Amino acid sequence: GAVVSQHPSRVICKSGTSVKIECRSLDFQATTMFWYRQFPKQSLMLMATSNEGSKATYEQGVEKDKFLINHASLTLSTLTVTSAHPEDSSFYICSARDVAGGPVETQYFGPGTRLLVL
Amino acid sequence: GENVEQHPSTLSVQEGDSAVIKCTYSDSASNYFPWYKQELGKGPQLIIDIRSNVGEKKDQRIAVTLNKTAKHFSLHITETQPEDSAVYFCSGGQGAQKLVFGQGTRLTINP
Repeated sequence: GAVVSQHPSRVICKSGTSVKIECRSLDFQATTMFWYRQFPKQSLMLMATSNEGSKATYEQGVEKDKFLINHASLTLSTLTVTSAHPEDSSFYICSARDVAGGPVETQYFGPGTRLLVL
Repeated sequence: GENVEQHPSTLSVQEGDSAVIKCTYSDSASNYFPWYKQELGKGPQLIIDIRSNVGEKKDQRIAVTLNKTAKHFSLHITETQPEDSAVYFCSGGQGAQKLVFGQGTRLTINP
């Protein structure tokens, strides 16, 4: 149980284009999902907290107009990187909380999406 | 806000020996401390967690200890195996709020 999927697993795009990444909780409902970014050999940095049916909460220094987050259902959150540039190349990982099936604090992570912007 | 420090950054042990990774946190209000294992190119996997109402938790070869007074917690892996090789992250947070992660420890098990 508590499986989180991400799509795509990897994407290559040209500079200036937008890329959408999907995060799904497969066997549970998640009112809260989190989006992280991880650069090579570094830790996970929280970008934003996504709440179903409301606006996302962004961490300091993360541009909300560049990283658009939508959490329209209890099983799906999307992250859109708008006008991507090479410095946006990174490993993007989402996590979700199973609010009904287990401890409220536990976060389950997706497999990640590797974005390369040329 | 919370700050989590993790040591060492790299750790190499012989197969069968024990490995210990240590973390400290700054916010005394934090009460939830999960540990994650991340293999190359994959997302983090929860391996064990501990809450502030207990001092130790064990799951087979993995154990975690928590010292609330000193604000530090540790991961102990006994009888290490090659498949334990990965990057391990400690984290801390308060209730259902966001988690703050340590810098990670790259553990290598030498056969």
